[in-house]
Amino acid sequence: KQEVTQIPAALSVPEGENLVLNCSFTDSAIYNLQWFRQDPGKGLTSLLLIQSSQREQTSGRLNASLDKSSGRSTLYIAASQPGDSATYLCAVCGETSGSRLTFGEGTQLTVNP
Amino acid sequence: EADIYQTPRYLVIGTGKKITLECSQTMGHDKMYWYQQDPGMELHLIHYSYGVNSTEKGDLSSESTVSRIRTEHFPLTLESARPSHTSQYLCASSEGTHQETQYFGPGTRLLVL
Repeated sequence: KQEVTQIPAALSVPEGENLVLNCSFTDSAIYNLQWFRQDPGKGLTSLLLIQSSQREQTSGRLNASLDKSSGRSTLYIAASQPGDSATYLCAVCGETSGSRLTFGEGTQLTVNP
Repeated sequence: EADIYQTPRYLVIGTGKKITLECSQTMGHDKMYWYQQDPGMELHLIHYSYGVNSTEKGDLSSESTVSRIRTEHFPLTLESARPSHTSQYLCASSEGTHQETQYFGPGTRLLVL
């Protein structure tokens, strides 16, 4: 059974700092890995999707990497802003799960002005 | 921007009542999903559908039921609500392939007294 772990559970940084969020998964047989953002009481917004054949994806100040063989992904946020404060969720789509996603518990990020 | 809607956004109801949480999407997506999320916890898949007249139970056992009579509509029903059903329920949809991201609705926060 696929398990997804995110470290740290919570992170507080001053504005402008670069930061890294970590995600690990136990079964490397995946189609893709996705990073989502969730604001309090809201749904999820997709940030980046990395296919299993890719090593990284970039969108603006966000860069996500994938090391499928070691079961790890990182989300790098450059020059953090207070508006980045949210919970960041990692999810994997396993090869044996159709299109279903397995989520981690998330990292709660606070960027202080 | 994803066009996926959930109603109601918030619901407070007494034990034993029957409730239906609505989810609709206008993107023509074949696949739809229901997730349950307790505060600060990861999302758990409770139901999914790969198309009209297709419904499957997810990874987390749930007393709720779903139906998929129309492509755009995927309602979730609790025949007799209990306090243990208090949670946030998130609906999502995706295109036919596993390479596509899932688009999430804003969620329904349910409180059963």
